[in-house]
Amino acid sequence: DAGITQSPRHKVTETGTPVTLRCHQTENHRYMYWYRQDPGHGLRLIHYSYGVKDTDKGEVSDGYSVSRSKTEDFLLTLESATSSQTSVYFCAISAVQGGYTFGSGTRLTVV
Amino acid sequence: GENVEQHPSTLSVQEGDSAVIKCTYSDSASNYFPWYKQELGKRPQLIIDIRSNVGEKKDQRIAVTLNKTAKHFSLHITETQPEDSAVYFCAASTEYGNKLVFGAGTILRVKS
Repeated sequence: DAGITQSPRHKVTETGTPVTLRCHQTENHRYMYWYRQDPGHGLRLIHYSYGVKDTDKGEVSDGYSVSRSKTEDFLLTLESATSSQTSVYFCAISAVQGGYTFGSGTRLTVV
Repeated sequence: GENVEQHPSTLSVQEGDSAVIKCTYSDSASNYFPWYKQELGKRPQLIIDIRSNVGEKKDQRIAVTLNKTAKHFSLHITETQPEDSAVYFCAASTEYGNKLVFGAGTILRVKS
C-alpha cells in the first residue's frame, strides 16, 4: 500500500467525549500532518510534526491536540468532541521536499 | 499566512474536450505548487507538481503552468476522459512541499 495507515476508518462518537485518531507510517518520513476535509473548504491543516516530539499548530487547531512519540506514529486527539468536528480527517506524510502521501482518511461523526 | 483560491468550483466538459482549473496564491515566497486528484471516497493523490523556478511542466495529458508575477497557476487536462471525473485540489507551499495550503477544490465532470 502507500506506507501510511489511519485508524479507525469510521467512528461515531457523542458530544463531549474524547476521541483519538491514529496515523501510522512505514516510510520513515520526517514530516507528518493532520488535515480535515469539509465541503467548500478543501483540506485545512490542523497540526503538523517535523519530528519526534516536534509539533506545531495549523490554521484550525482549536479543540485538537497531537502527539508524536515515535517517528512512525502521529496521534490526533479531540479532547471533547463537538458537532463542528464532524469531518473527514486525513493524515499525510512527506519527505524533506516534495508532495504528500495521504492516508485513507477517517470519517468522524459527532452526534 | 498563505491563502489559495481555486476556480471554478465545478466544471463540466464533454469527453475529448480540454479542462482548465486556475488557482491564485497570496504569498510571493511560495515555491512549490502541487495538484491532487481525489476520486469519490478515496484519498487525494498527487498528479503533477511544479516548482517556482519552472514555468510549465507536462505529463502526458496534463500540464501545469505557473505565473509568478501574477501569482497564479493552472492545471490543464487535454482530451478528457470519463475517468478524469474527480475533485481536483491545488496547493501552495513556502517550504518546498511542507505545510501545504490547499484550495477549496474543483469538481470536474466529464460527460460521455
